[in-house]
Amino acid sequence: ETGVTQTPRHLVMGMTNKKSLKCEQHLGHNAMYWYKQSAKKPLELMFVYSLEERVENNSVPSRFSPECPNSSHLFLHLHTLQPEDSALYLCASSQDLSVRGKTEAFFGQGTRLTVV
Amino acid sequence: AQKITQTQPGMFVQEKEAVTLDCTYDTSDPSYGLFWYKQPSSGEMIFLIYQGSYDQQNATEGRYSLNFQKARKSANLVISASQLGDSAMYFCAMREGRTGRRALTFGSGTRLQVQP
Repeated sequence: ETGVTQTPRHLVMGMTNKKSLKCEQHLGHNAMYWYKQSAKKPLELMFVYSLEERVENNSVPSRFSPECPNSSHLFLHLHTLQPEDSALYLCASSQDLSVRGKTEAFFGQGTRLTVV
Repeated sequence: AQKITQTQPGMFVQEKEAVTLDCTYDTSDPSYGLFWYKQPSSGEMIFLIYQGSYDQQNATEGRYSLNFQKARKSANLVISASQLGDSAMYFCAMREGRTGRRALTFGSGTRLQVQP
């Protein structure tokens, strides 16, 4: 496999469920990201991991819990979500050599989450 | 304040014609990078083109070119010879250098529809 792979592609969960989103990158990158894309809103950055250390956390509710066990894998653990959390969750990775350089992010296809 | 502004929610273009998608940005950082991404209905964000703030020439990648006007803080995407497969959402994004933020900040996007 190549690129950034996200599973599952679609997820429907109840407000009391616990589920996890998985992201895997095969690009040798050292930075990974979670973004949330809601209808008619810009992509919202949720978390950033660089060298497996969380370096940014954009005031995300605690019902979202990220985990980065190694540089190739990123998880987003979900519990007691609300209907307004329904969105497309996108994972991305990049080579974090220098913020001045052309370090474009490569994205997965996303997980379409519906909270009922 | 919005960092990235895309004022065209939707655009139509005839097949084989050129189209310009607008993007303005706001930063006080002298070092930054500008990116354009395409998002088809499948959800994946596809990197198209990059422009660095210190680059002397406008970036080009095949049918994509970036009209970079630094003084106006604009970075418009030009797609030449539009194809039906170009129908998608297009996002402008920025990474700022001095703040050390690794992640991209995205605009709200423009939906492009190519008509036969």
